Amino acid sequence: RKEVEQDPGPFNVPEGATVAFNCTYSNSASQSFFWYRQDCRKEPKLLMSVYSSGNEDGRFTAQLNRASQYISLLIRDSKLSDSATYLCAVTTDSWGKLQFGAGTQVVVTP
Amino acid sequence: AAGVIQSPRHLIKEKRETATLKCYPIPRHDTVYWYQQGPGQDPQFLISFYEKMQSDKGSIPDRFSAQQFSDYHSELNMSSLELGDSALYFCASSSTASAFPGTQVTYEQYFGPGTRLTVT
Repeated sequence: RKEVEQDPGPFNVPEGATVAFNCTYSNSASQSFFWYRQDCRKEPKLLMSVYSSGNEDGRFTAQLNRASQYISLLIRDSKLSDSATYLCAVTTDSWGKLQFGAGTQVVVTP
Repeated sequence: AAGVIQSPRHLIKEKRETATLKCYPIPRHDTVYWYQQGPGQDPQFLISFYEKMQSDKGSIPDRFSAQQFSDYHSELNMSSLELGDSALYFCASSSTASAFPGTQVTYEQYFGPGTRLTVT
């Protein structure tokens, strides 16, 4: 069982709609949490860090629930360019190596 | 803004050959991470360096070695290549700060474009 789990999707989302998905982690000592976006055969691009208080960056909102050990990502007013795989990443020590989930695929349709 | 640079971008090798992958971190970043991403898989941590010293080690085969140089660039050396080594190899960089003696805080990691290694 992976330490970081995500629903692989795909989430098929009409343009302009809202989509949300979660990522669960098993290690209660996990320290830092991130969402990355990865397009096919390209590098993961940092979307946002996830803080205990939750954070928002434009159309993207991330939340952390330490009690239930999950993080979430919500995308509002979806654009065609939001189509990608969204990787959840977690660190469990201060040296910072990332443990990734398998990714959630989002497909935004016209 | 300057990003992480990796070279080469594509590499084709035969079984049992050696390969060297290079990574140039973002300026003023002192920490480098290497990840391997196989087809259809998520990136797996291999090894990391902070201030030219190995800081952490993951699922890196004994056939692989790496180091970080005085200019903070890093090289991943891969020997006795196997078909299963075919993958995307990403380098990521970040900065690390000392919180108090014996502890440290690392910040967000930014990934390079990767090296696609094909072993035939």
